[in-house]
Amino acid sequence: AQSVTQLGSHVSVSEGALVLLRCNYSSSVPPYLFWYVQYPNQGLQLLLKYTTGATLVKGINGFEAEFKKSETSFHLTKPSAHMSDAAEYFCAVSGNNQGGKLIFGQGTELSVKP
Amino acid sequence: NAGVTQTPKFQVLKTGQSMTLQCAQDMNHEYMSWYRQDPGMGLRLIHYSVGAGITDQGEVPNGYNVSRSTTEDFPLRLLSAAPSQTSVYFCASSRTGTSVIDTQYFGPGTRLTVL
Repeated sequence: AQSVTQLGSHVSVSEGALVLLRCNYSSSVPPYLFWYVQYPNQGLQLLLKYTTGATLVKGINGFEAEFKKSETSFHLTKPSAHMSDAAEYFCAVSGNNQGGKLIFGQGTELSVKP
Repeated sequence: NAGVTQTPKFQVLKTGQSMTLQCAQDMNHEYMSWYRQDPGMGLRLIHYSVGAGITDQGEVPNGYNVSRSTTEDFPLRLLSAAPSQTSVYFCASSRTGTSVIDTQYFGPGTRLTVL
C-alpha cells in the first residue's frame, strides 16, 4: 500500500523568500515520486519526478526536490519565490508495478505575498 | 495537438440524473484515467484504461462507469448522480499504461455540482 502526506494545507511566503513544501510518503515498493502544480482553474502540470538515480531532481520553473529514503521524504523547494508561483501543489507516489496509477497527497496551496 | 480535452467545463445536475463526462486525447496515448478532486483530499483515481477495450477500477469507482471503444476517447458515466459526486473531475493520459515513468497529461477539468 502507498500513501502520501503533505504537511500544511496552506503555505504563505514573501516574494523572494525560500519556498519549502513538505511531502512524506509510505510505500511497500521502491517509490516513484512526483510533484504536480495546479494553477487556478487549470489541470495539473508535472513539475518534476524521481524514478531512479540521482536523488536531487530539478524541475521546471526553478523548483527542485530531494528524495531522502531514510526520511521517506520528497520535499519541494525553490530558492526565491515569484508571484507567479502561487498555485496548489500536489505530491504523488507510485511504484514500478503500478502502471500509471498515482496516489496523491492532499495538496498544499502556496500564496506569495508582494 | 490539443492534448487532453474535457467537456463540459461546468455541469449542474439534480440527484438521480445521469450524464456523461467526455474526455479525448490526440496524442495516441494508450493509458487514460479519471480522477476526482475534492478539497483536502487531493486527487483520487476513479477508473483507468491501459488501451482500447480494457478498463479497470481505481480507488473510488462506485457510481461511475467507463468504456474505451477507441484510443482517443474515454468517457465517464454517472448512472444516478448523488450530492456526494459533487467534485472536479480530471481526465489524464500517458503514452503507455505499463510504465509509471511516462508523464501523465491532465485535462482542464469538469466542475460538477449535484443538487
